[in-house]
Amino acid sequence: QVQLVESGGGLVKPGGSLRLSCAASGFTFSDYYMTWIRQAPGKGLEWLAYISTSGNTIYYADSVKGRFAISRDNGKSSLYLQMNSLRAEDTAVYYCTRNFRLAFDIWGQGTMVTVSS
Amino acid sequence: ENVLTQSPATLSLSPGERATLSCRASQNISTYLAWYQQRPGQAPRLLIYDASNRATGVPARFSGSGSGTDFTLTISSLEAEDFALYYCQQRSTWPPAWTFGHGTKVEIK
Repeated sequence: QVQLVESGGGLVKPGGSLRLSCAASGFTFSDYYMTWIRQAPGKGLEWLAYISTSGNTIYYADSVKGRFAISRDNGKSSLYLQMNSLRAEDTAVYYCTRNFRLAFDIWGQGTMVTVSS
Repeated sequence: ENVLTQSPATLSLSPGERATLSCRASQNISTYLAWYQQRPGQAPRLLIYDASNRATGVPARFSGSGSGTDFTLTISSLEAEDFALYYCQQRSTWPPAWTFGHGTKVEIK
């Protein structure tokens, strides 16, 4: 079935780095735009980054621009989020999502990132 | 920046009742609005896209309407699994960005 599975979350100190991965299955990954979205504990949803099918077009939210980098490997049906200079306010569940029209139709289960000393 | 305002913040209803959730955009977004349901401990689930189209597998009791700046998600008759958090979402064309409302919690009265 159509599925997205995130991995790579964990506990990291402020200023540290982490790389999240998202494995896609059940659909032709290279045909879809992809996006990372996060949700801080008890808070709402925040869009972070978008990548086109080829990876040539990328957009970031201002809150992560210059610190986070989205990428993809279509041969491995995988999406990535490299997170640098992490702050306490980056603590959240990070979701990998598939773009559908102007919405997001498939979501992973999420991976928790905790930034704390 | 186009802001989405959802109301009410909390809706207290009984099973079988009709739920009406509102989402207002600060600028005209035509019909480029989506709705999501999030149950505790779960990822959000797409319910409605393009303001009024049900996503695959979404029950017919869920319907969306509206255009421009005012949108509504209606649940015609609440079932136990419908008590959850609901978010609306839109995309800005420039700069490209996707934004969500702050959510409406539908709770059991």
